[in-house]
Amino acid sequence: QVQLQESGPGLVKPSQTLSLTCTVSGDSISSGRYFWSWIRRPAGKGLEYIGRIHTSGSTNYNPSLKSRVTISLDTSKNQFSLQLSSVTAADTAVYYCARLPPGYWGQGTLVTVSS
Amino acid sequence: QAVVTQESSLTVSPGGTVTLTCGSSTGDVTSYHYPYWLQQKPGQAPRTLIYDTNNKLSWTPARFSGSLLGGKAALTLSGAQPEDEAEFHCFLTHNGGCVFGGGTKLTVL
Repeated sequence: QVQLQESGPGLVKPSQTLSLTCTVSGDSISSGRYFWSWIRRPAGKGLEYIGRIHTSGSTNYNPSLKSRVTISLDTSKNQFSLQLSSVTAADTAVYYCARLPPGYWGQGTLVTVSS
Repeated sequence: QAVVTQESSLTVSPGGTVTLTCGSSTGDVTSYHYPYWLQQKPGQAPRTLIYDTNNKLSWTPARFSGSLLGGKAALTLSGAQPEDEAEFHCFLTHNGGCVFGGGTKLTVL
C-alpha cells in the first residue's frame, strides 16, 4: 500500500519561503510513470493545483504560481519537496501531496503564513 | 487557463441516484483530459474515487461510477447512502497540469 506523509513548518513568516517534504512509503519515486503532485486547500475555498513532477524529472506548475514554485525529487530519501517563495497570507492553506495515477493522497498539513 | 465547472450543490434522497458533472471552458471533456473524481469529508484529506474517466480504486464503493456524458465528465451515485454526504471534487488535465473544479456539496436527505 502506497502511503504519503507531508512534513514541514506549520508557521511561515510573510515574504519567506515555504518548504514542505512528502515522504513516500510502499513505492519508489524513481520507478514507474507517475506524477508526484502538490495541491492545497485554503480555508473556505476549493482545491488548488500547485504543481507536479514526473518520475522522469519533468515538472509542471500552476501558471498563477509558477514564478514562486519549485518541486523536486530526492530519490535517495524517497521524498519529493515543495518550495514556495515570497509567501503572503493568501498562501495559508492545508497542503497535500499526492501520487497520480491512481490518486494516493497524504493526510495534509496546515501551513499558516503570519508574522 | 481553462476553467472547470461543477454544480455547487446537489441533494439526493437515501437510495436515490444522482449525477455530478465536470465541464471545461475549452470545450467537450474527453478521455484525454483524464478526469478524476475525489470525495472529501470535513477535516479529512481528499480520497480518490475515480481516475482516468472510469477507473475505480480498491476502496471505491460499487455504487459510484464515472463516465463521459454530454461533453462533460460525470460521476453517478446509484443507491445513495447517508455516509456519501460529502464534497466531491473533479479535476482535468490541461496543458500538462491539473485544473480543479470548485467542488459539489452533496447532501443525502
